[in-house]
Amino acid sequence: AQSVTQPDIHITVSEGASLELRCNYSYGATPYLFWYVQSPGQGLQLLLKYFSGDTLVQGIKGFEAEFKRSQSSFNLRKPSVHWSDAAEYFCAVGPFTNAGKSTFGDGTTLTVKP
Amino acid sequence: EAGVVQSPRYKIIEKKQPVAFWCNPISGHNTLYWYLQNLGQGPELLIRYENEEAVDDSQLPKDRFSAERLKGVDSTLKIQPAELGDSAVYLCASSFSGVAEQYFGPGTRLTVT
Repeated sequence: AQSVTQPDIHITVSEGASLELRCNYSYGATPYLFWYVQSPGQGLQLLLKYFSGDTLVQGIKGFEAEFKRSQSSFNLRKPSVHWSDAAEYFCAVGPFTNAGKSTFGDGTTLTVKP
Repeated sequence: EAGVVQSPRYKIIEKKQPVAFWCNPISGHNTLYWYLQNLGQGPELLIRYENEEAVDDSQLPKDRFSAERLKGVDSTLKIQPAELGDSAVYLCASSFSGVAEQYFGPGTRLTVT
């Protein structure tokens, strides 16, 4: 069975500081990995995705993520956090096609201190 | 390009009452998903449509939940009767067929009292 673990329920960082959100997955085949962001009262917005190729992927809003197969991880990073990045972040894993279904983690809430 | 549209955005009902949610996917997206999102958790798939066919409804509680996508575009998710435990956000998403990237609507927040 596929699963996603986001070990940090809540993270607080100061504005301008760097950020890393952790994601560990379990998947029986080659995973298709995603990071989504959800602002209060909004749906999920895709930040970035990875299936193959360069293991460091760039996304929108200055985010990047690194796939590490040996660690079954897909951590999200940003070098300098802005106050507008405060939101909830979800990691997801699924098949390359939508013939199956994606599984989401329970999310990490990011608070940004001024 | 318009995104996924959902209505209503908020709904408060008493238990045992029926409720319906509507979703209009992005134009051209053949695949439509309904998710349930409980507070503090990630979305959980309820049902997935390919055009008008429900291809995965294994997580849909069929005793009280139903869904339809009659013309392969808009979709409606219904709960009858609602229970207190149904209070959650119901998300609709869509994608092109054969593509895993999903685009989400803003959701409907349901409160059952």
